[in-house]
Amino acid sequence: ETGVTQTPRHLVMGMTNKKSLKCEQHLGHNAMYWYKQSAKKPLELMFVYNFKEQTENNSVPSRFSPECPNSSHLFLHLHTLQPEDSALYLCASSQDSRYSNQPQHFGDGTRLSIL
Amino acid sequence: TQLLEQSPQFLSIQEGENLTVYCNSSSVFSSLQWYRQEPGEGPVLLVTVVTGGEVKKLKRLTFQFGDARKDSSLHITAAQTGDTGLYLCAGVREYGNKLVFGAGTILRVKS
Repeated sequence: ETGVTQTPRHLVMGMTNKKSLKCEQHLGHNAMYWYKQSAKKPLELMFVYNFKEQTENNSVPSRFSPECPNSSHLFLHLHTLQPEDSALYLCASSQDSRYSNQPQHFGDGTRLSIL
Repeated sequence: TQLLEQSPQFLSIQEGENLTVYCNSSSVFSSLQWYRQEPGEGPVLLVTVVTGGEVKKLKRLTFQFGDARKDSSLHITAAQTGDTGLYLCAGVREYGNKLVFGAGTILRVKS
């Protein structure tokens, strides 16, 4: 079973829709992350959860709303997105986000397109 | 200006050729990681380097961390089509607490 699973793999939505991205990790990690990946730009860290508590919100617009019900699951709720939000959204996990040099394990991402 | 500058942005070579990609910064890093991201997949960690001057080898891949811990390089010998992908460097600055990523080098190996 793959370590970090993201669903759906592809999502097309209108600007007024509400949808959610899901991430699940089977590695026994305590930290989970959401990143945005756009072409030719570095991965942008969006949110960090450690032991279910949000520890970082990197100035993300409120139209993105994260949820972490337990250490294995992470959601990103989307509402009223803009065309510039089209990107690959990656979820990652690590043992403990307080130790930043630990390797992060990534899912395969959700390719999001906003019409 | 990005904290980690990767070069070149794009590289297209023939199978069997050698290549080097670079990750440079003006800041000192306590550690640097290299990831490879294949099309349609997420990044996968290749190596972590933590000591200035450190060299690590992974089959045909050789990773080096600069003596001053401000830069790193990845050298691939006799590239294969399976090496195609996006190579990302990421690091934690000395006294920092975040992992920051470079924009990556897209490598295409043609048969």
